[in-house]
Amino acid sequence: QSVLTQPPSVSGAPGQRVTISCTGSSSNIGAGYDVHWYQQFPGTAPKLLIYGNINRPSGVPDRFSGSKSGTSASLAITGLQAEDEADYYCQSYDGSLSGSYVFGTGTKVTVL
Amino acid sequence: QVYLVQSGPEVKKPGASVKVSCKASGYTFTNFGLNWVRQAPGQGLEWMGWISAYNGYTSTNYAQKVRDRVTMTTDTSTRTAYMELRSLRSDDTAMYYCARSCSSTTYCSGDFWGQGSLVIVSS
Repeated sequence: QSVLTQPPSVSGAPGQRVTISCTGSSSNIGAGYDVHWYQQFPGTAPKLLIYGNINRPSGVPDRFSGSKSGTSASLAITGLQAEDEADYYCQSYDGSLSGSYVFGTGTKVTVL
Repeated sequence: QVYLVQSGPEVKKPGASVKVSCKASGYTFTNFGLNWVRQAPGQGLEWMGWISAYNGYTSTNYAQKVRDRVTMTTDTSTRTAYMELRSLRSDDTAMYYCARSCSSTTYCSGDFWGQGSLVIVSS
C-alpha cells in the first residue's frame, strides 16, 4: 500500500499541458524529503525523469518540470506529445516507516 | 556508460527461495548504493530495500513488508549485487528491478535501472 497518492489517470490533447499530483504527509514530503519522478513504458524499466523535486537528468526534455509545496508535489508536462503516453510515479522517503523509500500509486498519462 | 544486467526469469514453487543477481559496470561499484524495486503484474512500484558496500562496509535497509524474508548482498570482486527472497508466496510474483542510487540527490531509488528479472511463484 503506497503512502503517496496520485490520480490514476490524466489525459490531454497533443500540445496541451497536464499535471500529475503526488500527495504525501508530514512524515515524507512534508518532512522535507525530496520528491523524484519516474516514467515507465509498458514492458520496460522505469526511467528517472525528475530528481530533487525540480531537476532534470541530462537528456530529459524541458517540457517536463517538477515542483513541491508542503506535503505535495507535482509533475507538469507542457506541449504534450504522443510519445509521453506512459505511466508516471513519484517517489520520496518516509521517516516513519523505519526509514523507507516510498512510491506513489502511479498515473497513466493518455494522449488523446 | 552505466549498465546493470540482471539474471534471467525464474519459476518457483510456494515456500521456495529465489536469488536474483544484478551485475554492474561503467562506474565505481562501491561508490553507489543499489536499490531493489519490484512490480507485480499490472501494479505499481514497490521498494524492497537498499544495499551499499561503501568503503568496505556493507549497509542494508529493508522494507518492513519483506524484512523477515529478504537478504541483500554484494560481491565487490565481481561488481554484482544479489537479492534473495525466501518463503515465496504467490503474491511475490513480480518483475524485480535493481537500480543504482541517484548520484546527485538523496533517497532517490535509481538513476540507472536493470532490465528486470521476472519471478513467478506458482504451484
